[in-house]
Amino acid sequence: RKEVEQDPGPFNVPEGATVAFNCTYSNSASQSFFWYRQDCRKEPKLLMSVYSSGNEDGRFTAQLNRASQYISLLIRDSKLSDSATYLCAVKYMDSSYKLIFGSGTRLLVRP
Amino acid sequence: GAVVSQHPSRVICKSGTSVKIECRSLDFQATTMFWYRQFPKQSLMLMATSNEGSKATYEQGVEKDKFLINHASLTLSTLTVTSAHPEDSSFYICSARSGSGGGQPQHFGDGTRLSIL
Repeated sequence: RKEVEQDPGPFNVPEGATVAFNCTYSNSASQSFFWYRQDCRKEPKLLMSVYSSGNEDGRFTAQLNRASQYISLLIRDSKLSDSATYLCAVKYMDSSYKLIFGSGTRLLVRP
Repeated sequence: GAVVSQHPSRVICKSGTSVKIECRSLDFQATTMFWYRQFPKQSLMLMATSNEGSKATYEQGVEKDKFLINHASLTLSTLTVTSAHPEDSSFYICSARSGSGGGQPQHFGDGTRLSIL
């Protein structure tokens, strides 16, 4: 079983749609959680951290469920520019605090 | 914000060549650096973690003699792919963090696209 799992998609949605991505992690000792955005052939860019209480940044809302070991990302009012691959990432609470990524979910927003 | 510079951005070379990739933190001291590899349509896979002045810690399945990592200073880490073969063709990305604890964010380089003919 992969440490961090995501539905690869693609999610093909019209502009203005609301879309949600889920991500599950297997290591209960995971400390911190993040969503990254990666455009084709580029490095990942931090979209937002994910907190247990849930957090929102404009059209983006992230949630964490520690009991079920999953995190989610909700995008409201999708824009064409939101088309990208969304990677969830988990930071382990060990000596290295390394960041482990999911395989990514591809989003295509069409006009 | 914090900047990580990776060089070169693109490499095309013949099989059997050794390739060195540099990762520099431009405006902060990178106590810890991470090297990732990403094959097409796959996720970033962590290859190794290095702390300045120490030997790198490699993830399971990553050959340390094949992928040589040097982190001799607080602003520079290098990854050398020795005797590269076509199956080593991939997108290599470094990431740097100040401090050895988990509280500091990781900053990513632009990545190096390696193609072995």
